[in-house]
Amino acid sequence: SQTIHQWPATLVQPVGSPLSLECTVEGTSNPNLYWYRQAAGRGLQLLFYSVGIGQISSEVPQNLSASRPQDRQFILSSKKLLLSDSGFYLCAWSPQGANSGNTIYFGEGSWLTVV
Amino acid sequence: SQQGEEDPQALSIQEGENATMNCSYKTSINNLQWYRQNSGRGLVHLILIRSNEREKHSGRLRVTLDTSKKSSSLLITASRAADTASYFCATDAGGAQKLVFGQGTRLTINP
Repeated sequence: SQTIHQWPATLVQPVGSPLSLECTVEGTSNPNLYWYRQAAGRGLQLLFYSVGIGQISSEVPQNLSASRPQDRQFILSSKKLLLSDSGFYLCAWSPQGANSGNTIYFGEGSWLTVV
Repeated sequence: SQQGEEDPQALSIQEGENATMNCSYKTSINNLQWYRQNSGRGLVHLILIRSNEREKHSGRLRVTLDTSKKSSSLLITASRAADTASYFCATDAGGAQKLVFGQGTRLTINP
């Protein structure tokens, strides 16, 4: 069966510090990978998605970046965090498919507080 | 940009009652999905309805889709306290390999 892991689960970082959130998927190959952000009590905002190694699509201009160094690894980074980067970050994956009717499977999320 | 918009933003009902949440979207879709999120957790897929379907059932869930009105509804029958969560609709943004979520409806079931 497929599983998705993301870490760390929570972190508190000072403004201006770097960020690295990591996500890995097991039990599948060549998945689509996603990073979403959710502000407190709000909906999900798609930040990045990837359909293959080294292929990253950015949905929202910001000071965050994403990388996919391996097929099932997706990393969210920032060189210098802003207060507005605080939120709940969710990694997700879906099967690579010919159509878009694929369910997305989410990790448990990472709570980031920038202070 | 947001594709799906849920209504109401918050809903509080008594256990045993039915809960109805609505979702509207803007562009053409191939399918629409509903997800559930318990507080502070990841989202869990509930049900998918394709653009050529009008209604779908799964247990106590009933989803309808009206493509002419670009809207969908999620009905939870005989609600339970454990149904307390946020519910999101998501659309495939016209065929792209990504889902775009709405703002969600926060459902509270009072015992």
